[in-house]
Amino acid sequence: GENVEQHPSTLSVQEGDSAVIKCTYSDSASNYFPWYKQELGKRPQLIIDIRSNVGEKKDQRIAVTLNKTAKHFSLHITETQPEDSAVYFCAASRGGDYKLSFGAGTTVTVRA
Amino acid sequence: DAGVIQSPRHEVTEMGQEVTLRCKPISGHDYLFWYRQTMMRGLELLIYFNNNVPIDDSGMPEDRFSAKMPNASFSTLKIQPSEPRDSAVYFCASSSPGLGAVEQFFGPGTRLTVL
Repeated sequence: GENVEQHPSTLSVQEGDSAVIKCTYSDSASNYFPWYKQELGKRPQLIIDIRSNVGEKKDQRIAVTLNKTAKHFSLHITETQPEDSAVYFCAASRGGDYKLSFGAGTTVTVRA
Repeated sequence: DAGVIQSPRHEVTEMGQEVTLRCKPISGHDYLFWYRQTMMRGLELLIYFNNNVPIDDSGMPEDRFSAKMPNASFSTLKIQPSEPRDSAVYFCASSSPGLGAVEQFFGPGTRLTVL
């Protein structure tokens, strides 16, 4: 099955700086890569996703890049704010079964 | 739509008791997923359904766990008998890829504590 590895496990950044989280996947058939944000005690919520026919996608302060050849994708958060503090999960899915394989998560702390 | 609904939100039970978790997916969604979240193992997919039919239950940890989806608007996850190691947050999620909505929408979760 699909194996998704996520790094780093924890990330502390100064408010206003950028944060980058990296994930690798094992199944070359995977074609959908979402990122979820989970605040303490809350449910995971989708913040951005990318499909394998796209190399980069942006939504305001967040962006995701995908390198299919290397089988890795990254989340970039610019101008971090205290409300960005949360656990971020990457995931991968192959077309056809729609199940997600999640990374282990990255705890992001934005220092004021 | 109210989103994915789960009940109960919290459950505390004693080892050996039966536990039933409930989920109502978003109306019109034809995929339903059950996840378990723990600090040690992260987010694990337990089982998922398509059009009420179980597609992949390879993540169900053992025979003590069972899941059903009797109709498009209701699913249950049952643990019998429960054990302390089953303590976790259980999430239900739904999606509708056929309509282009591959995104999985998560419910608020059920926090299960087995004493």
